Amino acid sequence: QVQLQESGPGLVKPSETLSLTCTVSGGSISSYYWSWIRQPPGKGLEWIGYIYYSGSTKHNPSLKSRVTISVDTSKNQFSLKLSSVTAADTAVYYCARDNFDSSGYYIADWGQGTLVTVSS
Amino acid sequence: QSVLTQPPSASGTPGQRVTISCSGSSSNIGSNTVNWYQQLPGTAPKLLIYSNNQRPSGVPDRFSGSKSGTSASLAISGLQSEDEADYYCATWDDSLNGPVFGGGTKLTVL
Repeated sequence: QVQLQESGPGLVKPSETLSLTCTVSGGSISSYYWSWIRQPPGKGLEWIGYIYYSGSTKHNPSLKSRVTISVDTSKNQFSLKLSSVTAADTAVYYCARDNFDSSGYYIADWGQGTLVTVSS
Repeated sequence: QSVLTQPPSASGTPGQRVTISCSGSSSNIGSNTVNWYQQLPGTAPKLLIYSNNQRPSGVPDRFSGSKSGTSASLAISGLQSEDEADYYCATWDDSLNGPVFGGGTKLTVL
């Protein structure tokens, strides 16, 4: 079981870019898929996107082209950038390790989450 | 509006058995395995059930999952006060090419 830790600013101004980094410890970032998931206050979970350690990505179309996910294998980190944020992007942001195998898809490990508030 | 449909709340008394339902469609539950996550107050979600009915190491056998067609359910037997949490179903969606979640069910132990 790996450990994941999100880091980044807790306050972002409207129209600016939200930037978060997830540091993976206790295991290598290689050979796995890694996701970002968010949870607005008092609401449910929303998948933002995932990245494979090789760099291939997929994001939720609902976020249009505002999402960029990248990976730095040398630092065992992956990152999220969400541009043109509004108050609707206020949420707890989780990084997570995905599992794809004969058991199907599931999220195996979660970070503790970090609250990002969009406000001027 | 979540892709998967769950009841917003459920409740039971200690020792009781409760079930939580999760409804989807042919592009998600109908063609992929279902997972359940438990989110205790103020904490990150935790994998509770994967591959429809498999428990990760450390999850008590009081928790069980099942799937039939485009629906799934989570059953908790011998309800305990520490089971009070939000429960989310999730699966892969072939149309989205990504995971989808239910809206969550808040379980109250009376």
